Amino acid sequence: GQQLNQSPQSMFIQEGEDVSMNCTSSSIFNTWLWYKQDPGEGPVLLIALYKAGELTSNGRLTAQFGITRKDSFLNISASIPSDVGIYFCSYSGGGADGLTFGKGTHLIIQP
Amino acid sequence: NAGVTQTPKFRILKIGQSMTLQCAQDMNHNYMYWYRQDPGMGLKLIYYSVGAGITDKGEVPNGYNVSRSTTEDFPLRLELAAPSQTSVYFCASRWASTDTQYFGPGTRLTVL
Repeated sequence: GQQLNQSPQSMFIQEGEDVSMNCTSSSIFNTWLWYKQDPGEGPVLLIALYKAGELTSNGRLTAQFGITRKDSFLNISASIPSDVGIYFCSYSGGGADGLTFGKGTHLIIQP
Repeated sequence: NAGVTQTPKFRILKIGQSMTLQCAQDMNHNYMYWYRQDPGMGLKLIYYSVGAGITDKGEVPNGYNVSRSTTEDFPLRLELAAPSQTSVYFCASRWASTDTQYFGPGTRLTVL
């Protein structure tokens, strides 16, 4: 599968701060999916994006499908302790294909 | 609904031993998947299935086998465990009409 590059690799922030992370690829995608993995759990879908330029929100989370279709951004506003975890971008090749994941962004919130 | 369930949660194997990781879903999903997650990495696809009796290889299938005799169950078999198979294994499922995969809680496997 194509490689997804996520940055930053990790983030150490204070509670209440806004967070921004992104994902890039050398290939064009039709779908971007953002997942969150809590410690010791499986990933859970946060936001799915299907159109270039699309901006979608889910509570304090906002994600955008880049115009070039080679990147996507996830923002979290006013972070809270339960936002701690690993955030993955992913894509599906279509059909029954499984997902290809980036390496993830570790979010750590300091009290 | 229990969603996607996996057993066991933890397992330690010796090199050369075999075991089966169990996965079941009660959402009547036709597609099911097995991934492995190594430390600091994203998940990588091992095998997947589009329905009972139909399976196909993913990105990293070597050393593993699967079967799908029912819609609900999708076990993953390790025949000759190797240290390189130390990882966390996740099972997932979805309907054919959506991209949303639902993941189980994972099985943490250590091969010594």
